[in-house]
Formats: sequence, C-alpha cells, structure tokens
Amino acid sequence: AQKVTQAQTEISVVEKEDVTLDCVYETRDTTYYLFWYKQPPSGELVFLIRRNSFDEQNEISGRYSWNFQKSTSSFNFTITASQVVDSAVYFCALSEADNYGQNFVFGPGTRLSVLP
Amino acid sequence: DSGVTQTPKHLITATGQRVTLRCSPRSGDLSVYWYQQSLDQGLQFLIQYYNGEERAKGNILERFSAQQFPDLHSELNLSSLELGDSALYFCASSGRGGARDEQYFGPGTRLTVT
Repeated sequence: AQKVTQAQTEISVVEKEDVTLDCVYETRDTTYYLFWYKQPPSGELVFLIRRNSFDEQNEISGRYSWNFQKSTSSFNFTITASQVVDSAVYFCALSEADNYGQNFVFGPGTRLSVLP
Repeated sequence: DSGVTQTPKHLITATGQRVTLRCSPRSGDLSVYWYQQSLDQGLQFLIQYYNGEERAKGNILERFSAQQFPDLHSELNLSSLELGDSALYFCASSGRGGARDEQYFGPGTRLTVT
C-alpha cells in the first residue's frame, strides 16, 4: 500500500533562513507521481509541483527547489531565504494510479512558521 | 483563485441530519475529487469522478455518496451525520483525471455537526 511520511510536524525558522521539508514515500509501483501542496492560513490548497518517477532531475522554481531521490524514496522540498509569506502547512502527496482512476495519498503535513 | 468553486462555504447542522455539498470544477476539467480534512485524520481522499462516472474510491463512508452531473458539477451527500464528520471538505478538479494531472482545489466547505 502507498504511504507518505512527513516526519517534521512543525518547523520554525527566522526569515531569510533556508529550510528543508522532508517527504518519504512508500509504493510498490514503478510508475508514480509525487506532489507538493501548500495550505496557507487562509485554508486553500495550492499546487506547487508534480514529479514523475522516471524523472529524478532536481527542480528549482525561484526560492523553491525539490530534491527527488528514488534510492531513498524521498522527495524533499527546500525554501531558500524564507519569507513570512511562506508560513503554511505543506503537504507531500503520492499517486500511483495508471491513466485513469487516481488514488491520492497525502502525508500528514509539515507546519512551517517563518518568524520576522 | 483556482477556478474551482464550492458551496456553501460554511455549514452547521445537527447530528442525524443530511447535507449536500456542491462543487463546480475548473472550466474544461473533466475530473472531480472529494477530500475530507480533519484534525485527527489529515487529508483523506474520498472519491473521484471522471466525466460523470466514478473512477476511484478512497476512505468514503457508506453514509456518504457523491455524483457528477452532465454539466460536470459534483455533489457530495453526507447523511446520518455524526460529530466526527465535522471537517473541511475539499473538492478538486483536474483535466483528464490521470495520475499525472495536478489537482486544483476549491476553497472548501467547513462542516460543523453539533
């Protein structure tokens, strides 16, 4: 069965610090997709990134970067030079379906607080 | 704004009652998903529809049911409500409903059962 673990329940950093949110997943499929979502205090869920299991290239988008390592089943998320607006709950998620019919599993989330 | 709309935003009802939550997907999206977010259970996938048909089922209780209509909006029906059903219910939509599709989430409906 698929599973996503986010061991860090809460993290607090001071503005401008770098922070890494860990995500470890379990799946028996060779084809799967990993996602990160952000849930700010306002409550909506915002899609950040998708990665498929065949693409292990790291990705950078502005201050955000993601490190996907199949060998350790991890898909970690780093925020560089954090800002107060980054304060949110961040969810890692896994989907191992084929073309249609998707069973999405979210991790428990990591609450990030960025202090001014 | 994700383009996904959900109504109502808040709902307060009593135990034993039945409620209906409504979701309109983004324009052009064929697939709709329902999730429940509670403090103790986290984000739980409930059910997915694609173009009117059920595609995947998660941890959805038998007291809950959903459907997707020809205009692609979806409704989640919750019956015989219990205190533990109090949660934030999200709807999401995606283009074709495949595993590779990112999902766009609505603002959620906060259900409080008293």
